[in-house]
Amino acid sequence: QVQLVESGGGLVKPGGSLRLSCAASGFTFSDYYMSWIRQAPGKGLEWVSYISSSGSTIYYADSVKGRFTISRDNAKNSLYLQMNSLRAEDTAVYYCARGTRGLRFDYWGQGTLVTVSS
Amino acid sequence: QTVVTQEPSFSVSPGGTVTLTCGLSSGSVSTSYYPSWYQQTPGQAPRTLIYSTNTRSSGVPDRFSGSILGNKAALTITGAQADDESDYYCVLYMGSGSWVFGGGTKLTVL
Repeated sequence: QVQLVESGGGLVKPGGSLRLSCAASGFTFSDYYMSWIRQAPGKGLEWVSYISSSGSTIYYADSVKGRFTISRDNAKNSLYLQMNSLRAEDTAVYYCARGTRGLRFDYWGQGTLVTVSS
Repeated sequence: QTVVTQEPSFSVSPGGTVTLTCGLSSGSVSTSYYPSWYQQTPGQAPRTLIYSTNTRSSGVPDRFSGSILGNKAALTITGAQADDESDYYCVLYMGSGSWVFGGGTKLTVL
């Protein structure tokens, strides 16, 4: 069965960095585009970043552009999000999600919590 | 900046019908935005209900349906059940590999 398992979250000070990982299993990872989507505590969902199946095309939300970097390793069935210059407003649960036809996200991980606080 | 609008909250009686909407701060929602709907209960990851305006995701009961109503995307729940009490999010595809989520609607069944 399809599984997405995020890791790497934690407490970090403003201005700090963190690298999130998402381990995929149960499907051919290299066939699917992926995204990171976040949810601040008690708030709604926010799309963060997209990466194509090959990794050749990448997009970011304006709120993270220039600070976050998405990448993937298809040989390791893994998705990453390098987060630099973190701000308090980046505090959220970060989900990795599989994208598929219909421009939808059909599988989501359980999320990893990132807390940015001094 | 594009803002996707949803009703913050809605209430429906058990067995009743409710329609949640998803609009744009500027302009109309069309099928070209590939509107999708997600259901989320507290502490859980979102679950896909509807995609491409009106296609039900696998395993989703047929009491959930999607459409375009006027200038908005709509999610209709017919015969609401207690376990439909959740947060519902719409998301629109803006092109160039980017999406914008609405703020979500908290649905109460009582």
